[in-house]
Amino acid sequence: DAGVIQSPRHEVTEMGQEVTLRCKPISGHDYLFWYRQTMMRGLELLIYFNNNVPIDDSGMPEDRFSAKMPNASFSTLKIQPSEPRDSAVYFCASSPLNTEAFFGQGTRLTVV
Amino acid sequence: DQQVKQNSPSLSVQEGRISILNCDYTNSMFDYFLWYKKYPAEGPTFLISISSIKDKNEDGRFTVFLNKSAKHLSLHIVPSQPGDSAVYFCAASVSGSQGNLIFGKGTKLSVKP
Repeated sequence: DAGVIQSPRHEVTEMGQEVTLRCKPISGHDYLFWYRQTMMRGLELLIYFNNNVPIDDSGMPEDRFSAKMPNASFSTLKIQPSEPRDSAVYFCASSPLNTEAFFGQGTRLTVV
Repeated sequence: DQQVKQNSPSLSVQEGRISILNCDYTNSMFDYFLWYKKYPAEGPTFLISISSIKDKNEDGRFTVFLNKSAKHLSLHIVPSQPGDSAVYFCAASVSGSQGNLIFGKGTKLSVKP
């Protein structure tokens, strides 16, 4: 299996623009997570899905953030409009159960 | 308020010696604990885990110890190798919470040859 695949690996955008991050989980995994890593806050959970249904989005910082999982093999995290403080590394992860999660390589987002 | 704390942002160890990474937690409901390892420009990878019904779990050079009364766990790496140099994250969850791992901020381990 190729593992969790995220795209793009790097994204540089201007403040106010819409940003869409993409994730393909490992086939057969029922859980999908979006995390954000910053120096100040470390690795924090934004939202997670179980069987394509959002279960807990309490970590989503603001209404500017939204996530979807239209099917078992694809998820997006959208920021609209983006702000410089959104600059971080965004990780997608999946797991078959509530045990260890398998992470993608991350998307490094820079908002200028 | 951080529920999982790694108070040492960095640790430097000589090759061949023991590395001990520490983690404290505040939520007594946590019953499953994991360690992840992260290299630069890569995502975290699962290393080892322990359930609260145990106090020790060993996998090769890696051993995790859990002290529930102190709400403390530690990861021991013996012997340490230069390839172990990475950031190590401690994570905890409540079984049945269906997916909510809480991570510490990580400890950067440097193993010097």
